[in-house]
Amino acid sequence: QQQVKQSPQSLIVQKGGISIINCAYENTAFDYFPWYQQFPGKGPALLIAIRPDVSEKKEGRFTISFNKSAKQFSLHIMDSQPGDSATYFCAASIGMGYQKVTFGTGTKLQVIP
Amino acid sequence: NAGVTQTPKFQVLKTGQSMTLQCAQDMNHNSMYWYRQDPGMGLRLIYYSASEGTTDKGEVPNGYNVSRLNKREFSLRLESAAPSQTSVYFCASSEGGTPSYGYTFGSGTRLTVV
Repeated sequence: QQQVKQSPQSLIVQKGGISIINCAYENTAFDYFPWYQQFPGKGPALLIAIRPDVSEKKEGRFTISFNKSAKQFSLHIMDSQPGDSATYFCAASIGMGYQKVTFGTGTKLQVIP
Repeated sequence: NAGVTQTPKFQVLKTGQSMTLQCAQDMNHNSMYWYRQDPGMGLRLIYYSASEGTTDKGEVPNGYNVSRLNKREFSLRLESAAPSQTSVYFCASSEGGTPSYGYTFGSGTRLTVV
């Protein structure tokens, strides 16, 4: 059962463009939505995260947009750079405690010069 | 460097062989996790340990066992490896009660079962 659906599976963007990755969830109990970035041969690393009480969070060139009623959230990468080429995972978890996280299937982003 | 250390980085096993993947963290985190990563399927939770002395099954526990040896170490054992267990395995840790810090992942173990 895929509780967090992610699209697209792969994405090619030109340098300077905007990369957009979308995710949808089913479980309304989710209350923490992180995004992870993974470079080849490395483990995923936390990039940015949001709680459902805000509609948008921005950190540098990375922005999460959150639509609670539609149960959707997305990652926008502004002014995409070749160094942003990586696999991105959206995720969701419930509450505090041991923070068990459900991941999306990943989006492989390639930023071309 | 502080973080999560996994050993080995690569391993090839024959069907039916057993092995243990080791994981250690030096961040004094309470919770530790084992995930497997397969193409098109993202990261799936195998087992987790909310705190020292406790372990629980995740989404795909069949064919695996775990041991939370102490607060730092969390090992994953394959008793009789099968080709379906060919995957990249990641160990992660988290503070648990502070979700804003997220997970810290190790660099992974690439396992091939032939």
